[in-house]
Amino acid sequence: SYELTQPPSLSVSPGLTATITCSGDKLGDQYVSWFQQKPGQSPVLLIYQDNKRPSGIPERFSGSNSGNTATLTIGGTQALDEADYHCQAWDTSNYVVFGGGTQVTVL
Amino acid sequence: QVQLVESGGGVVQPGRSLRLSCAASRFTFRSYAMHWVRQAPGKGLEWVAIISFDGSSQYYADSVKGRFTISRDNSKSTLSLQMNSLRPEDTAVYYCARDDIQQMVSFGMDVWGQGTTVTVSS
Repeated sequence: SYELTQPPSLSVSPGLTATITCSGDKLGDQYVSWFQQKPGQSPVLLIYQDNKRPSGIPERFSGSNSGNTATLTIGGTQALDEADYHCQAWDTSNYVVFGGGTQVTVL
Repeated sequence: QVQLVESGGGVVQPGRSLRLSCAASRFTFRSYAMHWVRQAPGKGLEWVAIISFDGSSQYYADSVKGRFTISRDNSKSTLSLQMNSLRPEDTAVYYCARDDIQQMVSFGMDVWGQGTTVTVSS
């Protein structure tokens, strides 16, 4: 089965850039979405189709996808960005796959 | 505003059944594919199933195939998940989410419910 791999955790200082990776075989051939989830809350769509932001999502969130790695970049990280981040893609059998999630700590 | 509200969770013994519902409001439910996604305590998101906008196609994660059935009633704007032969590893918060899929391309799961908790324990 298709697997997506994310680092379990990441720490970033306020104001700096956080880069979260998501790796999978030929992932660049698929569209990737990214979700933010804060404790006790439902996931929120941040990025879809690799690099598109839904309305209301701040511009500091951006995405890219090439080769075997998709990347979510948070520019000018703020305390309120502390959350879990999940990548998601589709495999060729119409199955949806999530990465294991990355816990981002801002300190 | 656009809303999804899950219900039907609870505590159930292994081997028993449970039916979850997801009520949609303030959007054209019949135009969207719908997913069930679950999250075990302290774990990441796990996709469970998807149903097409018209109910004609369904796909399941291997972990639930043959035990769970996803369905929808577009006249009532309701999504369901029938869960049979439940196992302790099915314990999770279950979310429904909508997905705008156009010509086989997803525009992302952009609306999620608040989740309903299923606990499978003797």
